[in-house]
Amino acid sequence: QKEVEQDPGPLSVPEGAIVSLNCTYSNSAFQYFMWYRQYSRKGPELLMYTYSSGNKEDGRFTAQVDKSSKYISLFIRDSQPSDSATYLCAIQGRNSGYALNFGKGTSLLVTP
Amino acid sequence: EAGVAQSPRYKIIEKRQSVAFWCNPISGHATLYWYQQILGQGPKLLIQFQNNGVVDDSQLPKDRFSAERLKGVDSTLKIQPAKLEDSAVYLCASSLRTGSSETQYFGPGTRLLVL
Repeated sequence: QKEVEQDPGPLSVPEGAIVSLNCTYSNSAFQYFMWYRQYSRKGPELLMYTYSSGNKEDGRFTAQVDKSSKYISLFIRDSQPSDSATYLCAIQGRNSGYALNFGKGTSLLVTP
Repeated sequence: EAGVAQSPRYKIIEKRQSVAFWCNPISGHATLYWYQQILGQGPKLLIQFQNNGVVDDSQLPKDRFSAERLKGVDSTLKIQPAKLEDSAVYLCASSLRTGSSETQYFGPGTRLLVL
């Protein structure tokens, strides 16, 4: 079983839609949860970082973590064509030296 | 603040040839990572350095891959000899650990095609 499972999509939504991206993980030892955005032919860039269960909001983005279910989500409100990218969830723990364990990434296309 | 620099951006080689990638991390970042990202997959850790020492190289195919970080700054990753399955994007990331948290910053990657 992979450490992090993520549906690769692709996901296509119209501009203005609410997008929901999800991941599950298997090892409860991981303490930190991130979402990275990766545009085509670019390196991943950090979008959201959280370490506790609950919601964390940053502008149009909300990260949600449920440690009891080992489930993490990213919600994008009022999606824009510029949000079209691959979204990677990642988990991190002190026991693994803070190296990131990534999901496969979900490809998102927001159409005008 | 300058980001993580990587070169070359693209490389095409034939199988059994050798290739080297270079990474210059963000100034002051003690930790450096090399990840391999195969098309359609998330990045996978190859090796982690803390200053110039190796923290984790358990997923590095040591029969063909090697990496070094001399003087605890720049790093090189080498593949010799390359195989077709090494075609991927090689990402370098650096981080600064503050307290119990750590944020990794990625470079643009080197895209390798092995023919």
